[in-house]
Amino acid sequence: AQSVAQPEDQVNVAEGNPLTVKCTYSVSGNPYLFWYVQYPNRGLQFLLKYITGDNLVKGSYGFEAEFNKSQTSFHLKKPSALVSDSALYFCAVRDTGTASKLTFGTGTRLQVTL
Amino acid sequence: DTGVSQDPRHKITKRGQNVTFRCDPISEHNRLYWYRQTLGQGPEFLTYFQNEAQLEKSRLLSDRFSAERPKGSFSTLEIQRTEQGDSAMYLCATQTSGLFTDTQYFGPGTRLTVL
Repeated sequence: AQSVAQPEDQVNVAEGNPLTVKCTYSVSGNPYLFWYVQYPNRGLQFLLKYITGDNLVKGSYGFEAEFNKSQTSFHLKKPSALVSDSALYFCAVRDTGTASKLTFGTGTRLQVTL
Repeated sequence: DTGVSQDPRHKITKRGQNVTFRCDPISEHNRLYWYRQTLGQGPEFLTYFQNEAQLEKSRLLSDRFSAERPKGSFSTLEIQRTEQGDSAMYLCATQTSGLFTDTQYFGPGTRLTVL
């Protein structure tokens, strides 16, 4: 069974500093990986995905993620954090079955302060 | 706004009552998913439709839960005889099928509170 782990419940960073939100995965076969962001009382918004190709994936709002097959990681990054980036971030892996359902991590709360 | 809508956004009900939620997908999306998210957790898969056919159900989906997608358009999720443990955010996601179309787009969710 596929799984993802987000080892940090919360990440704190000052505005203007780079941020990293960690994710590791376990899959059989090639991984299809996703990052979503959730603002309070809202649904999930898609940020970016890795299917194949370049290990550095660029997404929405200046976010990017680095796929590392040897470390089975897919960390989310941003060069310069904004206060408005404060939200809950979820890493997910797509199931290889017919449904292609997503398995999510437990989420990491990002807090960006002035 | 992803184009996926859900109604209602909030529902408060008493234990034992039945509730029904609706999801309207992006029009060309033939795949539709329901997930449940409890506090402090990531969303968990409940069920999946391809057009009008319900092709997969999670073990989380007890016999009190039923989902439909008549005509392959909107979908409903009904919970009968609600329990306090059913309190959660219910999320709908839709996706088109085909090569390189792997992204699920989520609605805003329906937050259910069972008193």
